[in-house]
Amino acid sequence: EPEVTQTPSHQVTQMGQEVILRCVPISNHLYFYWYRQILGQKVEFLVSFYNNEISEKSEIFDDQFSVERPDGSNFTLKIRSTKLEDSAMYFCASSSTGGQWNSPLHFGNGTRLTVT
Amino acid sequence: AQKITQTQPGMFVQEKEAVTLDCTYDTSDPSYGLFWYKQPSSGEMIFLIYQGSYDQQNATEGRYSLNFQKARKSANLVISASQLGDSAMYFCAMRVFGDTDKLIFGTGTRLQVFP
Repeated sequence: EPEVTQTPSHQVTQMGQEVILRCVPISNHLYFYWYRQILGQKVEFLVSFYNNEISEKSEIFDDQFSVERPDGSNFTLKIRSTKLEDSAMYFCASSSTGGQWNSPLHFGNGTRLTVT
Repeated sequence: AQKITQTQPGMFVQEKEAVTLDCTYDTSDPSYGLFWYKQPSSGEMIFLIYQGSYDQQNATEGRYSLNFQKARKSANLVISASQLGDSAMYFCAMRVFGDTDKLIFGTGTRLQVFP
């Protein structure tokens, strides 16, 4: 069964450094998302992306965050200057439809980001 | 505003027994989907089951079923014949038709299955 793949599985970085989290969504999916989950807490929406542009972003997704689909397969989340509070599990997800209520998001296994 | 509420932070169930995980939701949109995801200790998010707001029948997927009560705005997950491998965090989530397509999650219920 097709799946969303994320790399790396774990990233350790120093405060103030830039990180890029990578995702390969399911190949025929058109809608892409990033979520984050601080340890033991709720899964929070960051951003949705369709047709090469952001369709929605949350308050968390401030100027230090950016997303890109540099080619036909990859979808990346960049954090420009990491803070301690950015430590979390970051999930990429994709969906075959958007603006619809009847299709699930398929999630990758996540990247655990640790900022020291 | 849309909201998902899971009031059970933790649940215990004995192996082979059934368990119900509660979920209530709030939306004024008539078109929405309700989803359950499982998150084992390894961290991945696994899609389990879906129920659409216009579906007349309760959804079932193997040992998982969704007890959908639209008037009460509840979408409880029922796991029958629990197995040790069912021990995990379970999230209820909602997706609403309209100008936003994101999935909104509840806070989750940690299920522990004991022998």
